[in-house]
Amino acid sequence: GAGVSQSPRYKVAKRGQDVALRCDPISGHVSLFWYQQALGQGPEFLTYFQNEAQLDKSGLPSDRFFAERPEGSVSTLKIQRTQQEDSAVYLCASSSSGPGDIQYFGAGTRLSVL
Amino acid sequence: AQKVTQAQTEISVVEKEDVTLDCVYETRDTTYYLFWYKQPPSGELVFLIRRNSFDEQNEISGRYSWNFQKSTSSFNFTITASQVVDSAVYFCALRGNAGNMLTFGGGTRLMVKP
Repeated sequence: GAGVSQSPRYKVAKRGQDVALRCDPISGHVSLFWYQQALGQGPEFLTYFQNEAQLDKSGLPSDRFFAERPEGSVSTLKIQRTQQEDSAVYLCASSSSGPGDIQYFGAGTRLSVL
Repeated sequence: AQKVTQAQTEISVVEKEDVTLDCVYETRDTTYYLFWYKQPPSGELVFLIRRNSFDEQNEISGRYSWNFQKSTSSFNFTITASQVVDSAVYFCALRGNAGNMLTFGGGTRLMVKP
């Protein structure tokens, strides 16, 4: 597709469940980012991939959060044993390469943990 | 550490009014990039503009204009003759020299009433 695609758009999980969120970046984009956006706030960085290598995971809030991009294209953000505080919109972005390249965002996955 | 501050959390104007959204940033990097994104109700962050730290020239694109002033660490965004379709949350973001992630401000919700 032409843009960044994320699925599912909405996810409701019971506390303690594991969830997996998918991101399909723009074709050919080397860099992939995950951000977390709490209600009424700006997005906050979670993790960054360059191709299949996870170069920065400093923003992951706990070891329950795990991300992968095994073939350098599609990425999955997994949250284990979800907690209520994990409720947020999870945004994925991709960019071609270079330090100032524009990050293009998907529509996000809204996660609600009950 | 990097920081972006958008002091205006919410602005309401009547259609055709001009409106300026403020953005103040903090960084120790000498090379950095500034961005503005629009987030309509659909949730996707839409890229509007990128500016690098060495280019202080103001930019105009249709009804949109941006005023970058390094002396005051500000990158303000003006919409001329606002329209109802401009209603959205607008985010200012900073990317420093080291690291690839964007640091976002808290956003400004703009409501344009007919």
